[in-house]
Amino acid sequence: EAGVAQSPRYKIIEKRQSVAFWCNPISGHATLYWYQQILGQGPKLLIQFQNNGVVDDSQLPKDRFSAERLKGVDSTLKIQPAKLEDSAVYLCASRPPGRSPDTQYFGPGTRLTVL
Amino acid sequence: GNSVTQMEGPVTLSEEAFLTINCTYTATGYPSLFWYVQYPGEGLQLLLKATKADDKGSNKGFEATYRKETTSFHLEKGSVQVSDSAVYFCALTSVSGAGSYQLTFGKGTKLSVIP
Repeated sequence: EAGVAQSPRYKIIEKRQSVAFWCNPISGHATLYWYQQILGQGPKLLIQFQNNGVVDDSQLPKDRFSAERLKGVDSTLKIQPAKLEDSAVYLCASRPPGRSPDTQYFGPGTRLTVL
Repeated sequence: GNSVTQMEGPVTLSEEAFLTINCTYTATGYPSLFWYVQYPGEGLQLLLKATKADDKGSNKGFEATYRKETTSFHLEKGSVQVSDSAVYFCALTSVSGAGSYQLTFGKGTKLSVIP
């Protein structure tokens, strides 16, 4: 089966610019996660979707970050405007229905560099 | 809140050497514990897990035992190979402020195995 797809793989922008990342989860996976992984740290959950609804966005900096999953399939994460500290790898993961939280399938990530 | 502390890297070993990567945790209740691995250029993958005290998780020659008395989940392998070179993350399940189960990761330990 195809894995979690993410694009772009790399992005370089200047501070105060906007950027968007795209994720296509594994077919049939109702739960979708976005994580931020800063260099030298573990992934930190930003937002969790169940189908097209938000389950948890308590760690999403809502003043500049937004995410949507309008049709309950693919998802977009946006940063507007970007700051230097947003430089990180943004990981998308999906989980099949009825499985425990550790059963997440991760995409390869998008590496963002903010100059 | 729940947290994970794992040994600082990088760790460099010769092929066939014994590997230990230390992981300790702080948690309320009885979380499940995990080791994830991230090979170069690939997404995070679950390596092994343990769901209760004294459980031993194992996979691909790696082992880790859930030690409640020492709040530890150290990763071990008797004889590492060059192909084991990767970043290893210790993680646990926790309940977020929004009430959803999520993964909390340590900072990761980079392992390099030289021939």
